Amino acid sequence: AQRVTQPEKLLSVFKGAPVELKCNYSYSGSPELFWYVQYSRQRLQLLLRHISRESIKGFTADLNKGETSFHLKKPFAQEEDSAMYYCALSGQAAGNKLTFGGGTRVLVKP
Amino acid sequence: DAGVIQSPRHEVTEMGQEVTLRCKPISGHNSLFWYRQTMMRGLELLIYFNNNVPIDDSGMPEDRFSAKMPNASFSTLKIQPSEPRDSAVYFCASRPQGAVGNTIYFGEGSWLTVV
Repeated sequence: AQRVTQPEKLLSVFKGAPVELKCNYSYSGSPELFWYVQYSRQRLQLLLRHISRESIKGFTADLNKGETSFHLKKPFAQEEDSAMYYCALSGQAAGNKLTFGGGTRVLVKP
Repeated sequence: DAGVIQSPRHEVTEMGQEVTLRCKPISGHNSLFWYRQTMMRGLELLIYFNNNVPIDDSGMPEDRFSAKMPNASFSTLKIQPSEPRDSAVYFCASRPQGAVGNTIYFGEGSWLTVV
C-alpha cells in the first residue's frame, strides 16, 4: 500500500527565514511525487513535481529514494507563502491514483 | 479551458436530506477523482474513475455515498441520507491520460454543511 507522511501539522517561521516541510513515503515501485499548495479557501494547485526538477516560487524538492523522502524547501520564506502544503504520491503500481499526506500548514510571520 | 467545474459551490442542508454534488472534468482528461477534505482527516480519496469506469471506491465511507460517471464530461457524488459528520469540502479533480508525472487538476470544491 502507498502512504505519505507529513510529520508536521504546523510550521511557523519568520519572514526571510528558511523553511523545510518534511515528506516521507512508502511505495513498492517507482513513485511519482508532487507538492500541492492550497491558499486560504482556494483550490489545490500543483506547486512542483519531482520529475521536472524545477524551482517554483523559490521552492525546491529533491527525491531521496534511499530515505524515501521528498522534502520541500525554501531558503527565504515570504508572507505570501502562508498556506497549506500537501505532499502527494502516485504511480502505476497503484493504478495512478494520487495519495496525499495529511498536510502541513505554513505560517510566515512578518 | 475553464478547468474542473463543480457545483454547487456551497450547500447547507438538513440531516437526512439527499445531497448531490456535480463535476465537469477538463475536456480530454480520462481520469476523475473525488476527494473529501476535513480539518480532522485532511484530504481523503473517496473514489476515482478511469475512462468513466470506477477503479477504486475503497475510500467511500459507507453505503450512503455513491458516485457515478455516465459520460466523459460529467460525474456526480451523492449522499443519501446526509449526516452532520458529512460536513466537509468535496473536491473533484481530473487528470489526462498517460505519462509519468501527469498532474491532476482540482476544482474549487463544494462546501457542504449538514445541520
